[in-house]
Formats: sequence, structure tokens, C-alpha cells
Amino acid sequence: AQSVTQPDIHITVSEGASLELRCNYSYGATPYLFWYVQSPGQGLQLLLKYFSGDTLVQGIKGFEAEFKRSQSSFNLRKPSVHWSDAAEYFCAVGPLSGGYNKLIFGAGTRLAVHP
Amino acid sequence: EAGVAQSPRYKIIEKRQSVAFWCNPISGHATLYWYQQILGQGPKLLIQFQNNGVVDDSQLPKDRFSAERLKGVDSTLKIQPAKLEDSAVYLCASSLVTDTQYFGPGTRLTVL
Repeated sequence: AQSVTQPDIHITVSEGASLELRCNYSYGATPYLFWYVQSPGQGLQLLLKYFSGDTLVQGIKGFEAEFKRSQSSFNLRKPSVHWSDAAEYFCAVGPLSGGYNKLIFGAGTRLAVHP
Repeated sequence: EAGVAQSPRYKIIEKRQSVAFWCNPISGHATLYWYQQILGQGPKLLIQFQNNGVVDDSQLPKDRFSAERLKGVDSTLKIQPAKLEDSAVYLCASSLVTDTQYFGPGTRLTVL
């Protein structure tokens, strides 16, 4: 069955430190992969997406993610975290085939940033 | 460009009451989605429309939930009657036919 696992429920980092949020997926074909961020009381904002090509994807707000097919992973990284990055981060996988566009989300990782 | 609009932002009801949520997608987006996000979980797709037609409603509890998208633009999601376990954030998203989904701010429903 298709699924997305985000192993870390909560992560706390100091401002200026580097960040890596993990995402593993189970999917029968080459997936389309997404990272979304959700601030309190807000909807989901797309950070970046991987459809094909270069496995290192650049996104907004200084985030990047790397697709590793052998590890079924799509980890999100940022070299230096800002206090405004505190939010919940969701990894998602989608089929994008046959006219269907269903996304399957992980349970999310809540990021706290210490000053 | 205006984003996905949803209303109301918050709703509190008693169990067994009915409630409706409204969504206006990004102009020109043919595909519209309703997701349910229970506290501590990722969003789960309830129903997907392409223009006026339903593409996927496999996870919609059809005994109490209904949704429509008249004229291929706005959509309404209804719950009747509500149960305690329906307390969640209901997110609407839209996309071009098969492309990135853009989300609205959501409606937070509390069922007492």
C-alpha cells in the first residue's frame, strides 16, 4: 500500500543551526514528491516538489530536498534555520497519472526553533 | 492572483447538527479537493472533483458527508449529522488538471 512516513514527530533546533527532516515513502512506481509547510491556523504552503530530473530540488525560503530512489527517501534540508521556520512540515506523495491527482500525506513533523 | 478561499474559518456545533463549508478555488483551476485534517495527522483526501464531476470519493463517509461543485467553480462540503469524531480542519485545495495543489486556509470544525 502507498504510504508516507515521517519518523520525527517533533524536532527542536537552535536558530542558525542546520535542519534535516526525514521522509520515507512506499510506492509502486516513481512517485511525485512534495513538501508542504503549515503555520498555525494556516493552510498548507508548497515548499518544493520533485517530478523528475535532478534529484536535488530547490524550493522557497532556502529549503532543498534530495530524492534518493534506493532509500525511498525525500529528506528536506535547510543550512541555517530562522525563527520564522517554526511550523509543521508535511511530506506527500502523489501518482499524478490517469487524470487523478491524489496526494498521500505523512503525519507531519513539528519544528520548534530556539533563539 | 487570489488564492483558494474558504469560509467560515471556524465553526462550533453540537453533535447531530448539520454544517456546511464553502470553497472558491483559484480561477481557472479545473480540479478541486476537500481534505480532512484531524489533529496530529496529515490531511486525508475526502473527495476530488474535476470540473463538475467526482473523480475520487472513496474516503468520503457518504452516510453523513456530501459535496457538490456546481458549474465547475465553487464547492460546498456538508456534514449531516455531525459526530464528535468529525472535529477537524477541513482544507480545500485546487489545481490545474494534474499539477501542484494549492491549499486554502481551512475551516476548523469543533463538534461538542
